[in-house]
Amino acid sequence: EDQVTQSPEALRLQEGESSSLNCSYTVSGLRGLFWYRQDPGKGPEFLFTLYSAGEEKEKERLKATLTKKESFLHITAPKPEDSATYLCAVQEKGGSYIPTFGRGTSLIVHP
Amino acid sequence: DAGITQSPRHKVTETGTPVTLRCHQTENHRYMYWYRQDPGHGLRLIHYSYGVKDTDKGEVSDGYSVSRSKTEDFLLTLESATSSQTSVYFCAISELQGAGYNEQFFGPGTRLTVL
Repeated sequence: EDQVTQSPEALRLQEGESSSLNCSYTVSGLRGLFWYRQDPGKGPEFLFTLYSAGEEKEKERLKATLTKKESFLHITAPKPEDSATYLCAVQEKGGSYIPTFGRGTSLIVHP
Repeated sequence: DAGITQSPRHKVTETGTPVTLRCHQTENHRYMYWYRQDPGHGLRLIHYSYGVKDTDKGEVSDGYSVSRSKTEDFLLTLESATSSQTSVYFCAISELQGAGYNEQFFGPGTRLTVL
């Protein structure tokens, strides 16, 4: 069973159509949850770190939230330039300091 | 952008040949990592380093070796490349923040094709 599961695998939106991506995790204790954006042919780009349940972080049209079992990346009024793959990674408390990555959600925003 | 470069950016090689990929950083970060990314698998850790000459295996280390003789360079070697090692390889760096949060920063990747 994967420790980090992202859903959906792929998402198509119309420009301006808000939605959310999900990252659920099964580690016993969370040290940090990380969101990345990856454009085709490029390396992942760091977006946010979330540390504890109830925390929220925002950047432009993106808002990341965290509960005890999952994180959501909310995309408000997306634009075509928001099209990318979004990766989530989880660092377990007391375990390895190396985060475990989910398989990502591929987002396409149509004009 | 974090100062991370990878070379070469693209490589085509034949089965059985040795291949070395290089990761170079200008951030003076202690930790360096090699990942491979394949459709359906996401990012998988191959090897990592926690200091000069200090390295350890990740989840998919078979067929790979690494070396780190300087803080800024981390080399990944495929001793005898196989077609299953066709992939995109990413280097990442980090410094543990505050209470040990591990925010990683990635290089641009190397696309390796083994024929």
